[in-house]
Amino acid sequence: GAGVSQTPSNKVTEKGKYVELRCDPISGHTALYWYRQSLGQGPEFLIYFQGTGAADDSGLPNDRFFAVRPEGSVSTLKIQRTERGDSAVYLCASSLSAGDYEQYFGPGTRLTVT
Amino acid sequence: GQSLEQPSEVTAVEGAIVQINCTYQTSGFYGLSWYQQHDGGAPTFLSYNALDGLEETGRFSSFLSRSDSYGYLLLQELQMKDSASYFCAVKDSNYQLIWGAGTKLIIKP
Repeated sequence: GAGVSQTPSNKVTEKGKYVELRCDPISGHTALYWYRQSLGQGPEFLIYFQGTGAADDSGLPNDRFFAVRPEGSVSTLKIQRTERGDSAVYLCASSLSAGDYEQYFGPGTRLTVT
Repeated sequence: GQSLEQPSEVTAVEGAIVQINCTYQTSGFYGLSWYQQHDGGAPTFLSYNALDGLEETGRFSSFLSRSDSYGYLLLQELQMKDSASYFCAVKDSNYQLIWGAGTKLIIKP
């Protein structure tokens, strides 16, 4: 079956602009996670959804970052007033439920802020 | 604070055995996972330990000692395709995965 997909695969934007990153999880997976990964580092947790609600958004670095999952499937990570420090690979993962130990990752979106 | 420590790089020879260690300090512990990530690729799940002991899956095994806050990933019969970064990650009390910085495994022929 189809895995987790993310679009776009690459995004280059200017400092101060707004960007949206999309994640389409595996069908039937109720838990969805967003991570950010910088070069040479492990993924850093941002937020996770159980269904439509954000169960834990404690990893969002500041109020410029926001994520939604209105119908409990596709999720969008939104970044306002981008800064050069936001440049990273943004990974999305899903699992059957929040308690599952195996997360399935998408290929990521490489965001570059110039 | 929460932290996971693993070596930054390990080098081994094709066909050999290599062990990648991970020590952790987290608020709450619900299991230790291992993921593999090739350059430019997505992390893929390898194994999970919730209880002490050894879990074996083909050429890969993972060990956990909760009393020592320690685990390791053992890779046997190394192949060139095993060259990748390996991450340990702890599921904490909030269902978050807390990740180590990763170990780059370099395999020489």
